[in-house]
Amino acid sequence: EPEVTQTPSHQVTQMGQEVILRCVPISNHLYFYWYRQILGQKVEFLVSFYNNEISEKSEIFDDQFSVERPDGSNFTLKIRSTKLEDSAMYFCASSPRRLTNTEAFFGQGTRLTVV
Amino acid sequence: TQLLEQSPQFLSIQEGENLTVYCNSSSVFSSLQWYRQEPGEGPVLLVTVVTGGEVKKLKRLTFQFGDARKDSSLHITAAQPGDTGLYLCAGYTGNTPLVFGKGTRLSVIA
Repeated sequence: EPEVTQTPSHQVTQMGQEVILRCVPISNHLYFYWYRQILGQKVEFLVSFYNNEISEKSEIFDDQFSVERPDGSNFTLKIRSTKLEDSAMYFCASSPRRLTNTEAFFGQGTRLTVV
Repeated sequence: TQLLEQSPQFLSIQEGENLTVYCNSSSVFSSLQWYRQEPGEGPVLLVTVVTGGEVKKLKRLTFQFGDARKDSSLHITAAQPGDTGLYLCAGYTGNTPLVFGKGTRLSVIA
């Protein structure tokens, strides 16, 4: 069964360092998303991406964040200068079309720990 | 901002009992999805409901979408320890990204 895969599963980084989280969405999906979940809190939307550009982003997704689809399969989230409060589970998701009556499929997540 | 309120926040029951968890909002959703999340893993989609009043069944799980498409419920019959997990509802209004509730953490004790 097709699935969204994320790497690495766990990333530890020092404050101020850049991190890149990687995702391979389901192959025939067109919309891609990043969400995050701080420990004990709700899953929060960061950004959606379609046709090689950001279609929506939340207030969380500030200038420190960027997304890219460098090739036909990968979708990345970059945090330029990590802060302690960036520590969270980061989930990538994809859907075959824009979320209206369709489902989003989530990856297993990357646990980012900023020390 | 749509707010999805889930209740109860925590639920601990004995194996074999029935339970219902709720997802409520003041906003109208074009679709609403239920996910289950295990610790350290991503949300796994259980069901999507689209039509007001819709009822969907997935084995012992019954999902209902309110007539006004503002609320939903998940009913589990004869709960088993394998049902233990965090149950999340998430909704899409058509104008904003998928928003999640905080979830109901279910513990089924053998």
